[in-house]
Amino acid sequence: ETGVTQTPRHLVMGMTNKKSLKCEQHLGHNAMYWYKQSAKKPLELMFVYSLEERVENNSVPSRFSPECPNSSHLFLHLHTLQPEDSALYLCASSQEGHEWGARGYTFGSGTRLTVV
Amino acid sequence: GNSVTQMEGPVTLSEEAFLTINCTYTATGYPSLFWYVQYPGEGLQLLLKATKADDKGSNKGFEATYRKETTSFHLEKGSVQVSDSAVYFCAQTPNTGFQKLVFGTGTRLLVSP
Repeated sequence: ETGVTQTPRHLVMGMTNKKSLKCEQHLGHNAMYWYKQSAKKPLELMFVYSLEERVENNSVPSRFSPECPNSSHLFLHLHTLQPEDSALYLCASSQEGHEWGARGYTFGSGTRLTVV
Repeated sequence: GNSVTQMEGPVTLSEEAFLTINCTYTATGYPSLFWYVQYPGEGLQLLLKATKADDKGSNKGFEATYRKETTSFHLEKGSVQVSDSAVYFCAQTPNTGFQKLVFGTGTRLLVSP
């Protein structure tokens, strides 16, 4: 399997639930990202991992907790979410380093999250 | 800081019409520039890119030219199809250091038969 795979595709969860989103890349990339896409709002970069270390956390509430156990996998752990957290969560990967950034990112298809 | 500005949508066209979606950027140095497309219910896909001034990226009939003098990277297509209906994102990344992608807000294109 190639590319970036996200599971599940759809998730409905209550505000007291704990769930996790999974992202897996088979491209040999060394950087991975979580984005949030809400209706009528720009793409929001949430977290960046480079070489399995978190290099950016854009003031994301602590109810979102990322985990990057290795360069191929990225998780987003969710707990006590709010209805306004309902959105499409996109994972992406890239190969960072000289000249590699010009290749851009490869995105997964996203997880559509609904918080009820 | 680095930023990308796109024209607001939606852009509504009839099939076979000419398409232009404007994109301008601000950056330190000379970034790489990209257009991504998002079809309904999907993630973002790289449509085309240009890595230096005067480069032209092209794919699936879409084109964009990296214009350093006007800091622009406008997306064009000579004859749109209904299947081109999607949201288009302009983006940039620096060519040195950690290459974080910065997106515009996206422009929705609606093509009617």
